[in-house]
Amino acid sequence: DQQVKQNSPSLSVQEGRISILNCDYTNSMFDYFLWYKKYPAEGPTFLISISSIKDKNEDGRFTVFLNKSAKHLSLHIVPSQPGDSAVYFCAAIDSGGSNYKLTFGKGTLLTVNP
Amino acid sequence: DADVTQTPRNRITKTGKRIMLECSQTKGHDRMYWYRQDPGLGLRLIYYSFDVKDINKGEISDGYSVSRQAQAKFSLSLESAIPNQTALYFCATSATDTYEQYFGPGTRLTVT
Repeated sequence: DQQVKQNSPSLSVQEGRISILNCDYTNSMFDYFLWYKKYPAEGPTFLISISSIKDKNEDGRFTVFLNKSAKHLSLHIVPSQPGDSAVYFCAAIDSGGSNYKLTFGKGTLLTVNP
Repeated sequence: DADVTQTPRNRITKTGKRIMLECSQTKGHDRMYWYRQDPGLGLRLIYYSFDVKDINKGEISDGYSVSRQAQAKFSLSLESAIPNQTALYFCATSATDTYEQYFGPGTRLTVT
């Protein structure tokens, strides 16, 4: 049973436009969410996070939106740059649990075309 | 220098062989994790350790064992490798009471 879903395996956008990556979750106990970016032959790197007490968190070109009622979050990248081309993983955690275990989605491959 | 290092980066081994993957970190974090990634799948947790004396199974621990030799070192062993353990393996660390995990570069393991 997949608790974190990234239903789009891939996304292609033009440089300078907005990239929107989506993530849905089913476990209502999840209350903290993270986005990771992964380049080939490298490990995932932390990008941005959001707590369930917020509905938006912004860091430079990256903004994450959380809709708790819909159990949906999205990552917006504006403007998109070719260097943003990577696989993006959404992850969630139940902070009330005892193990700080991250549950990951399958990832979305973003390609930003020059 | 990388904060989280993994050795080897690539390994090809035969079915039935014992193999150890090593992870070292200089971040000073207490918590360490081992994940595997398969094509088209997200990262799945194999084992995690919150300190040197604490080892816990993750969601896919069968066929694996771990050793936390020191705060900075966490090794993953496959006692008798099988082909479906062919995957990309990542080590990660985190500070106590924070959620962000920091990953090593990964080990690509192929079992023939």
